[in-house]
Amino acid sequence: AQKITQTQPGMFVQEKEAVTLDCTYDTSDPSYGLFWYKQPSSGEMIFLIYQGSYDQQNATEGRYSLNFQKARKSANLVISASQLGDSAMYFCAMRDGGGADGLTFGKGTHLIIQP
Amino acid sequence: DAGVIQSPRHEVTEMGQEVTLRCKPISGHDYLFWYRQTMMRGLELLIYFNNNVPIDDSGMPEDRFSAKMPNASFSTLKIQPSEPRDSAVYFCASSPGTGMNTEAFFGQGTRLTVV
Repeated sequence: AQKITQTQPGMFVQEKEAVTLDCTYDTSDPSYGLFWYKQPSSGEMIFLIYQGSYDQQNATEGRYSLNFQKARKSANLVISASQLGDSAMYFCAMRDGGGADGLTFGKGTHLIIQP
Repeated sequence: DAGVIQSPRHEVTEMGQEVTLRCKPISGHDYLFWYRQTMMRGLELLIYFNNNVPIDDSGMPEDRFSAKMPNASFSTLKIQPSEPRDSAVYFCASSPGTGMNTEAFFGQGTRLTVV
């Protein structure tokens, strides 16, 4: 069964607008962590933000925030005031169980910021 | 720290040849992961090590794939014999400890093309 679902294969957004990238997950483990990574056209994977299943508040890192809705099993990434440099692939990932396993990734969303 | 270092960055080889991908994790990181990225399947975890010991290789697609970690600063992923369907970007990642919130630090990846 797919653990991470990203339903938006691609998105076009005007520069300076806010962007929400969707991510839903599936796990029966009460303890898990959710991650977002950015992959620009150069190919590297850049860690953006983390949300733990027991965290009471939504995570924020600069222009990135995570809209964590535990009951809905969703962890959407919000990018405020988008910039041209935000154009990239964005991956949602999860680690559950004992925390020692590798990350399970979604298929990604290709975000294109238009001037 | 220089981050996770992978070599080569690009590899083109003929079907049937042996291919060896190399990875130097971040010093002090106990965990090392090998991922494969393709358009069809996204990012897949192939194998991971803890303190140089392979923990889970259930993601290794076939016996043609093997991975070793002879010491804390070096790992290899070998494909023998290589096939065109092995063409993909192979990422190595490392992380410290076992915390649920521990992000994985990725290398630049090796783009493998088997012709």
